[in-house]
Amino acid sequence: KAGVTQTPRYLIKTRGQQVTLSCSPISGHRSVSWYQQTPGQGLQFLFEYFSETQRNKGNFPGRFSGRQFSNSRSEMNVSTLELGDSALYLCASSPRVRAGVPDTQYFGPGTRLTVL
Amino acid sequence: AQSVAQPEDQVNVAEGNPLTVKCTYSVSGNPYLFWYVQYPNRGLQFLLKYITGDNLVKGSYGFEAEFNKSQTSFHLKKPSALVSDSALYFCAVRDIDGGSQGNLIFGKGTKLSVKP
Repeated sequence: KAGVTQTPRYLIKTRGQQVTLSCSPISGHRSVSWYQQTPGQGLQFLFEYFSETQRNKGNFPGRFSGRQFSNSRSEMNVSTLELGDSALYLCASSPRVRAGVPDTQYFGPGTRLTVL
Repeated sequence: AQSVAQPEDQVNVAEGNPLTVKCTYSVSGNPYLFWYVQYPNRGLQFLLKYITGDNLVKGSYGFEAEFNKSQTSFHLKKPSALVSDSALYFCAVRDIDGGSQGNLIFGKGTKLSVKP
């Protein structure tokens, strides 16, 4: 089975621009979560989608948004980029077959976003 | 509030010696615990998890972890370290019974350095 794929792998933007990152989960996985990783804050949860619905959201401003499509692929968008948004953005997928069961999350390689 | 602590920023071990990477947690409800490893410029790779059952959990690449409920710890161990084990290790907890709806909370990470 192919793993979680994320595109693009690297991205350079300037302040004020917006960016869209894409994630394709492992085949059959219906839950997709996004995390931001920075040297200062570590790994922080952004949001989780399941069956095209946002199920959970971390403590990030509204500039961060996402969506999930019917094929479980997910995108996240960051508008009005700030220097502090420079980070590795990681996507993770899990089967989430049964509610409440702690399915293992499998991570993609990440998208390295640099904001200049 | 839920939290995960990895008290050591870095652990140095000689190749062939046993290694331990420490993790303690604080959650409401039952903890579901995970270890991930991250190599430079890569995403997170799943190593092992504790859901229920035996307190000693065996995972990938010869790693194991011991769940200790009274000490709220989940230390990662390996009997004989390899140079290739050098990487960043993250402990994470997924709270099912609390109000966070199951998202992963990560520790700050511990850098493991194995010298030949």
